[in-house]
Amino acid sequence: QQQVKQSPQSLIVQKGGISIINCAYENTAFDYFPWYQQFPGKGPALLIAIRPDVSEKKEGRFTISFNKSAKQFSLHIMDSQPGDSATYFCAAGNNDMRFGAGTRLTVKP
Amino acid sequence: DAGVIQSPRHEVTEMGQEVTLRCKPISGHNSLFWYRQTMMRGLELLIYFNNNVPIDDSGMPEDRFSAKMPNASFSTLKIQPSEPRDSAVYFCASSGLAGASEQFFGPGTRLTVL
Repeated sequence: QQQVKQSPQSLIVQKGGISIINCAYENTAFDYFPWYQQFPGKGPALLIAIRPDVSEKKEGRFTISFNKSAKQFSLHIMDSQPGDSATYFCAAGNNDMRFGAGTRLTVKP
Repeated sequence: DAGVIQSPRHEVTEMGQEVTLRCKPISGHNSLFWYRQTMMRGLELLIYFNNNVPIDDSGMPEDRFSAKMPNASFSTLKIQPSEPRDSAVYFCASSGLAGASEQFFGPGTRLTVL
């Protein structure tokens, strides 16, 4: 019943490296694909989002790559910083969102 | 804007007691969502409202859970009776645009049922 599958569960990256998190969805009717960032003790906050009419969206160091035919999308964090250490969730849906299981990212100094 | 407001921030109760969680969405937002977050199950959508009307409650785990939205500025999630397996962080989120759009999350309520 899981509609959005996210990997990896955890990721350790050196400062300055590239962090890559992947997601796959099942429902072809989904039309909104956001990534949320969550720090301990806080609610998730929108980081970046994409709609299926484009294949890539970049905002600063964060890029979403979207492959509609494969029903997959990924988050790339360039020049990863220790302050990026958080849990990242992908989501997909229409009016309501289905969230992936989350990826705990640790960026080592 | 104060953002989404949830209360209480922490709740500790004993098994069998009634628990009521409260949410005030961002003013002007017409969609409201209740989520539950646990280590085992991640972030689960419980129910969502559009213009105060429940649209999809298929995520509500069982009849012990109920949610209401009597007006555009207030919603409650009630658990009666509570059980230890209900222990989780409960988030409320709201969004203001028609269709899929950014959801703004509250700080959450950490519920512990002993």
